[in-house]
Formats: sequence, structure tokens, C-alpha cells
Amino acid sequence: EDQVTQSPEALRLQEGESSSLNCSYTVSGLRGLFWYRQDPGKGPEFLFTLYSAGEEKEKERLKATLTKKESFLHITAPKPEDSATYLCAVQEVNTGFQKLVFGTGTRLLVSP
Amino acid sequence: GAVVSQHPSRVICKSGTSVKIECRSLDFQATTMFWYRQFPKQSLMLMATSNEGSKATYEQGVEKDKFLINHASLTLSTLTVTSAHPEDSSFYICSASQGRLNTEAFFGQGTRLTVV
Repeated sequence: EDQVTQSPEALRLQEGESSSLNCSYTVSGLRGLFWYRQDPGKGPEFLFTLYSAGEEKEKERLKATLTKKESFLHITAPKPEDSATYLCAVQEVNTGFQKLVFGTGTRLLVSP
Repeated sequence: GAVVSQHPSRVICKSGTSVKIECRSLDFQATTMFWYRQFPKQSLMLMATSNEGSKATYEQGVEKDKFLINHASLTLSTLTVTSAHPEDSSFYICSASQGRLNTEAFFGQGTRLTVV
């Protein structure tokens, strides 16, 4: 069974204090690993898809990386508006309908 | 990115009544739509997968007679919570994909259901 574990559960940073969020996964074959941002009371907002080990993608202050066992979401010089829950999800190659399995998320709070 | 609209955003209903939630893809045709529920401080749990014109595929433990899913067109899927009870109170979220090989799913804004 696919498993996705995110750490830490919660993270508090000062504005400008860079850090990384971790997503460890176990799948029989990875089709894609997804990162989403979720604000309270809202649906997830797509950030990145990574498909193979060694791949990296960047968007503003965020950079996602992927290995065969885990993914990191690096946040450089975060701002208060980066505060949100960051969700990681995996999609297995054998799923017929693009099913996503989500981790429990990391709640990020960036203080000014 | 593509836009998925979910309605209503909040609904309060009495125990024993039914509630319908709509999920629309506004600028693309969604061959597949997914319904999730999310409890406070927990992750999204997939309830069912629906394909246009066919029966939904429910995840283990999800009662198909209680959570009725209809995907009548390529832009609309509905989730009806029948005979709702307080334990059905949750945040329900839909997502939609453009095609079988499209690995990018777009999510609706979610619906907060409160059963009193």
C-alpha cells in the first residue's frame, strides 16, 4: 500500500529564515509526486509535479527536489504570505485513474 | 492553471436530510473527477473516482448508497450526501483532470458541510 509521510507536522519560521519540508514515500512505482499548498478552508493549490529522481522545479521562493525515497520542498527567505499547509501526494504507475495518495501535510507559519 | 468551481462553499443541514454538492470544470473538459473528504488537521482522503458517463469507483469503506456520485457531463460531477448525520460533517473537496495521462489535478474550493 502506498504511504506518504510528511515532516515536520508543523514548522514556525521567522521571515527570511530558510528551511525545508520533507515528504517520504513508499510506492511500487512512482508516476509522479505532487506538492500542493492549502490555505485554511480552501482547496489545495497546485505547486509542482516531479516525475523522476534528480528532478528539481522552482517557483518564486519554493524549490522542490526528488529522490527515489523522498522529496523536499525548500523555502528560501519565506514571507508571512507563505504561511499555509503544504501537502505532498504521490501517484502510482499502476493506478488507472490518476489516484493521488496524500500525506498529512506540514503546517507552516512564517512570522514577520 | 485550469479552474474547478465547487458549490456551495458552506452548507448547514438538518440530520436526516440530503445535501448535493456540485463540482464544475470551467475551462476544460474533465474526463475524470475525484471526491475527497478532509477532517480538521488531517489530510485529504479519497472517497471516489468518477468518470463521465459511467459509475463511480468508491474507495474501501465509503458507502456508495450514502454518497451518491453523478458525473453526467464532461464539466459537472455531483456528490449527494444522503440521510446526513453529524458524523458526516466534514470538508468535501473535488478535483478534476483533463485526461487519462494528465497527471495534474485541479481542486475546487471545497465545501464545509455541517450536519446539525
